[in-house]
Amino acid sequence: ETGVTQSPTHLIKTRGQQVTLRCSSQSGHNTVSWYQQALGQGPQFIFQYYREEENGRGNFPPRFSGLQFPNYSSELNVNALELDDSALYLCASSSGQGNEQFFGPGTRLTVL
Amino acid sequence: DAKTTQPNSMESNEEEPVHLPCNHSTISGTDYIHWYRQLPSQGPEYVIHGLTSNVNNRMASLAIAEDRKSSTLILHRATLRDAAVYYCILSLSGGYQKVTFGTGTKLQVIP
Repeated sequence: ETGVTQSPTHLIKTRGQQVTLRCSSQSGHNTVSWYQQALGQGPQFIFQYYREEENGRGNFPPRFSGLQFPNYSSELNVNALELDDSALYLCASSSGQGNEQFFGPGTRLTVL
Repeated sequence: DAKTTQPNSMESNEEEPVHLPCNHSTISGTDYIHWYRQLPSQGPEYVIHGLTSNVNNRMASLAIAEDRKSSTLILHRATLRDAAVYYCILSLSGGYQKVTFGTGTKLQVIP
């Protein structure tokens, strides 16, 4: 059974650029959540996708957007990057309500 | 959104039990209590979750207060591998929408 994978591992961008981060959910999981984790802080919920539909969103501006594909993999897109977007971006998958989430290793984004 | 409060850090001696507290005084009736831990340079890892009753699994035990306003994660015998940041979170109906992780408790295990 393959766990949650994320790509790329690290990424460096400059202010104003756009970035796409990718996540492959664990086999059989139909729910994917994305989190942003700043240094020294806990993960902050960005949004969740369930069966290709957005299923909840945290306090993040519209320039943070996402997609979920029929195979339940997912993308996080961030437009007009700002310095404060520098963080570890985590993806987590689960098989439904009340079940444990399995996290990927994260993508470390640095915005210069 | 319901919030949780945890001590910033705790220490434990190796092979001794550890009790990690969490306060969640604004918990609603349908909020599940989840515990995750995060080792350095890794994504969080599920530990345990519960709704009203105490729960046990191979990793830990979860003791939930009768009024559900607090809970305690119990590691029965701390090992060096248990050194991590432990997060207590609440999720509406267990669905993880809009969960708030907070800053967690950094557990140090002393050999």
